Amino acid sequence: DTEVTQTPKHLVMGMTNKKSLKCEQHMGHRAMYWYKQKAKKPPELMFVYSYEKLSINESVPSRFSPECPNSSLLNLHLHALQPEDSALYLCASSQGPGQVYGYTFGSGTRLTVV
Amino acid sequence: EDQVTQSPEALRLQEGESSSLNCSYTVSGLRGLFWYRQDPGKGPEFLFTLYSAGEEKEKERLKATLTKKESFLHITAPKPEDSATYLCAVQDTGNTGKLIFGQGTTLQVKP
Repeated sequence: DTEVTQTPKHLVMGMTNKKSLKCEQHMGHRAMYWYKQKAKKPPELMFVYSYEKLSINESVPSRFSPECPNSSLLNLHLHALQPEDSALYLCASSQGPGQVYGYTFGSGTRLTVV
Repeated sequence: EDQVTQSPEALRLQEGESSSLNCSYTVSGLRGLFWYRQDPGKGPEFLFTLYSAGEEKEKERLKATLTKKESFLHITAPKPEDSATYLCAVQDTGNTGKLIFGQGTTLQVKP
């Protein structure tokens, strides 16, 4: 299995809703990432998990809450989002944070906040 | 501060018309430079990793090269299915795993 699987593929949520994005990989990778990508812009790093511990938080608002239940799963919990949070949310994994083998990205969750 | 600049922003080619995409970078210590292809609404697809100046890698119609300041993605005899956004990213020698992306080059190949 050489894939990163993200669910759901599309999500529409109101500003008062609570929802979660899910990411799963079975490649034995020990680093996992959340990126946010706005239209016609490059991906921007949000969080890095290294060996299931949060190692980087790029000053992301607290309405985004990451969670890494085990080495294969990564969640992003969403609460009280704003319309400007609408974007493509990408999960990625790599063998380890200090190793250069490239990321494997998932297909993303297209989030629309109404 | 690490920085990546890609040019051109957009490129239109006729099928079979070869060209190159540029990625200029500034990084304190380069661990690796990556090229990705991204189709609309999809996640980036890994193409190449380059580690040191002088290195070259090829895959089908694509060839990536690296110098101390920039990388080129050469596209030979492109086909319409090569149309996509091509992203360049660098990783520094820190152990964060963080990638710094350029703005991307959107390539359109017309038949």
